[in-house]
Amino acid sequence: DAGVIQSPRHEVTEMGQEVTLRCKPISGHDYLFWYRQTMMRGLELLIYFNNNVPIDDSGMPEDRFSAKMPNASFSTLKIQPSEPRDSAVYFCASSPRTAHQPQHFGDGTRLSIL
Amino acid sequence: AQSVTQLDSHVSVSEGTPVLLRCNYSSSYSPSLFWYVQHPNKGLQLLLKYTSAATLVKGINGFEAEFKKSETSFHLTKPSAHMSDAAEYFCVVSQNTGGFKTIFGAGTRLFVKA
Repeated sequence: DAGVIQSPRHEVTEMGQEVTLRCKPISGHDYLFWYRQTMMRGLELLIYFNNNVPIDDSGMPEDRFSAKMPNASFSTLKIQPSEPRDSAVYFCASSPRTAHQPQHFGDGTRLSIL
Repeated sequence: AQSVTQLDSHVSVSEGTPVLLRCNYSSSYSPSLFWYVQHPNKGLQLLLKYTSAATLVKGINGFEAEFKKSETSFHLTKPSAHMSDAAEYFCVVSQNTGGFKTIFGAGTRLFVKA
């Protein structure tokens, strides 16, 4: 049973560049979540989808951040243009029928913006 | 409004001694409560969950937690620590009040000494 798959695992890029993070949720899961984790702010929910539809994006920090879910098996989180303060570990998680169900996390993408 | 407070940012125990990680929550409705564990360079993994059934919840790897409504607490315990338990632990409260809302605690880092 494959878990949540995120790519790349590590990304180093220069400020101003576009960054795209990818996520494949567990098959059959209806909910998909994007989180950001930093030492200063801990784990923050950025956005979540239900059946490919964005439900709550109030955690997206700025217009530079955007997320899409074109189908049930793929989602992207894009930062354009990137800034050094975007450096963090970004996690994708998915959960089955209801939001109360446990969330299954990927191993994250460690993003460094120079 | 809901909130979750993990009372200790760091806990250090010796191998073979009991573990206690403390969590207090605040919720206007009957919440669901979870504990997750995060090992280095990994995503969060569910340890156990409380969803209004038995107040004493058993999880994986010998962990358990007790829901105490009168004290609004959901402390995580383990009778005997193992070196592999060294990780960060997150207490999570979730409720559905017409809209999904999940709050993660700030985390407690557990150190296990040989």
